[in-house]
Amino acid sequence: DQQVKQNSPSLSVQEGRISILNCDYTNSMFDYFLWYKKYPAEGPTFLISISSIKDKNEDGRFTVFLNKSAKHLSLHIVPSQPGDSAVYFCAASSDLTSSWGKLQFGAGTQVVVTP
Amino acid sequence: ETGVTQSPTHLIKTRGQQVTLRCSSQSGHNTVSWYQQALGQGPQFIFQYYREEENGRGNFPPRFSGLQFPNYSSELNVNALELDDSALYLCASSKGQGARETQYFGPGTRLLVL
Repeated sequence: DQQVKQNSPSLSVQEGRISILNCDYTNSMFDYFLWYKKYPAEGPTFLISISSIKDKNEDGRFTVFLNKSAKHLSLHIVPSQPGDSAVYFCAASSDLTSSWGKLQFGAGTQVVVTP
Repeated sequence: ETGVTQSPTHLIKTRGQQVTLRCSSQSGHNTVSWYQQALGQGPQFIFQYYREEENGRGNFPPRFSGLQFPNYSSELNVNALELDDSALYLCASSKGQGARETQYFGPGTRLLVL
């Protein structure tokens, strides 16, 4: 049962433009959401997170938006750079103690930034 | 560079065998989580260890087991290997067990079961 879904397996964007990655979730108990970035032969690297009490969090070129009513979040990268070419994973977790540490990941979106 | 290391990087086993994968956490991190990433999918949570005790488990059978040691190292053991166990195995360390503790991932061990 896939509780976190990334429906776009790939995204191609020109350097300097905006990249928008989307993620949907089904479990209303999720209250913390994260984005991880993964290069080949490396483990996922934490990028940015957002708590369910917020609808936006910004860190430099990266902004995450959360729409709780739609159970949808998105990651905006502006401007996109060649070094941003990687696989991006959306993940969700819950503050329920039984779920501590258990990140539920989407299948990932491969981003390619072209010159 | 997350400071989390894993060994070996690659491993080939045959069905029915047993395997031990190792992880070295960041210094000061008392929590380690293990994930399985099959090809084309996101990581799936196997279990978490906090201060050497299993602290939570995903939908994996008991033949997946683990150990955590006081020196920030840990192991994932898989018995009676099946073909579907072929995957990238990732460990992640964090300062604590809560949902908001950032997990720092190692590069993974790629296991192939023939």
